[in-house]
Amino acid sequence: QQQVKQSPQSLIVQKGGISIINCAYENTAFDYFPWYQQFPGKGPALLIAIRPDVSEKKEGRFTISFNKSAKQFSLHIMDSQPGDSATYFCAASNNQGGKLIFGQGTELSVKP
Amino acid sequence: DGGITQSPKYLFRKEGQNVTLSCEQNLNHDAMYWYRQDPGQGLRLIYYSQIVNDFQKGDIAEGYSVSREKKESFPLTVTSAQKNPTAFYLCASRRGTSEDEQFFGPGTRLTVL
Repeated sequence: QQQVKQSPQSLIVQKGGISIINCAYENTAFDYFPWYQQFPGKGPALLIAIRPDVSEKKEGRFTISFNKSAKQFSLHIMDSQPGDSATYFCAASNNQGGKLIFGQGTELSVKP
Repeated sequence: DGGITQSPKYLFRKEGQNVTLSCEQNLNHDAMYWYRQDPGQGLRLIYYSQIVNDFQKGDIAEGYSVSREKKESFPLTVTSAQKNPTAFYLCASRRGTSEDEQFFGPGTRLTVL
């Protein structure tokens, strides 16, 4: 019940296309859903996050869509660029000590 | 510059030796975390600390130990009891219980030969 399942494992998108990464969770106590971006050999950095009281959050080219009833949330990257090529992790937390449960990660490659 | 530092970036040890990974933050954050990252498995929580002199086990604490004697420091010791210690280790910190964003350090890649 503590798992967060992320798909796909890898994704190849053409420059200018839309990248979509999906996550699903079981624990209804989760109340914070961040997405992290990680470049090779670096630590993850927070990209965008959402709480379950809203269904969508947009920051620039990045949008989180949240479906509380389906217990799913997704990251959409519009106008994908080669510089977006990285590994993306979804995560969830119920604020118990700030513990984050991470998905398995999606390796995104944006082709020029 | 405020941030989290982890040293060294690469670490090599012989099997059977204990090794300590350093994590220091100057963000004045209360909470600190250690994660382990393996290819294709995401990040898994090893230990976390919400306040000085207190820490809790995460999901994969066996074979690891920590201390939190100072607010800015949270070292992780990988003991010889850890069966598969070769991994990328990430330290993170968070301001407090009401702030959710975790900031990550650059990581230490440990290779046990």
